[in-house]
Amino acid sequence: AQKVTQAQTEISVVEKEDVTLDCVYETRDTTYYLFWYKQPPSGELVFLIRRNSFDEQNEISGRYSWNFQKSTSSFNFTITASQVVDSAVYFCALSDFQTGANNLFFGTGTRLTVIP
Amino acid sequence: DTGVSQDPRHKITKRGQNVTFRCDPISEHNRLYWYRQTLGQGPEFLTYFQNEAQLEKSRLLSDRFSAERPKGSFSTLEIQRTEQGDSAMYLCASSLRGDSGANVLTFGAGSRLTVL
Repeated sequence: AQKVTQAQTEISVVEKEDVTLDCVYETRDTTYYLFWYKQPPSGELVFLIRRNSFDEQNEISGRYSWNFQKSTSSFNFTITASQVVDSAVYFCALSDFQTGANNLFFGTGTRLTVIP
Repeated sequence: DTGVSQDPRHKITKRGQNVTFRCDPISEHNRLYWYRQTLGQGPEFLTYFQNEAQLEKSRLLSDRFSAERPKGSFSTLEIQRTEQGDSAMYLCASSLRGDSGANVLTFGAGSRLTVL
């Protein structure tokens, strides 16, 4: 069965600090996709990144970076030099390769608060 | 295109009443999804359509729930004989099926249902 665990329920940081959001997943599939979505106070989930299980390269996009480690089943997300606008709930999600994102399994989310 | 639109944004109803939510996806997207999100949880998959065909339904979708996408464009989600446990945010998303099989979902802002 698919499962995503985000053990950090809430994190608070002071602006400009770096913060890492943890994501651990479980799947019996050998090929799968991992996602991160951001849910700001407005409620609309915003796509951040998609990674397939074949590609273990880390990725950087501006202040965001992602560390995918298949050996530990983790897909962690780091925000560098956090800003107040980063305050949101962040969800990690998993889907199997065959059905793509027809059925995304989401974690329970991590609420990030960036204090000015 | 302004993204995925959902209507109404908020609905308060009494237990036992029927409610209907509408979703207008991004026009060129052929896949449409419904998810449910309760407080403090991640979204949970309910069902998805490819064009007008409903291809997958979660076990979460009881007999009181019905979704349609009659012309492969907008979709409706109806809940009959609402129960207090139906109180949640109902999220709609759409995507374009890609060759890779891994769809990036674009979510709407959701329809929040409160059952009294």
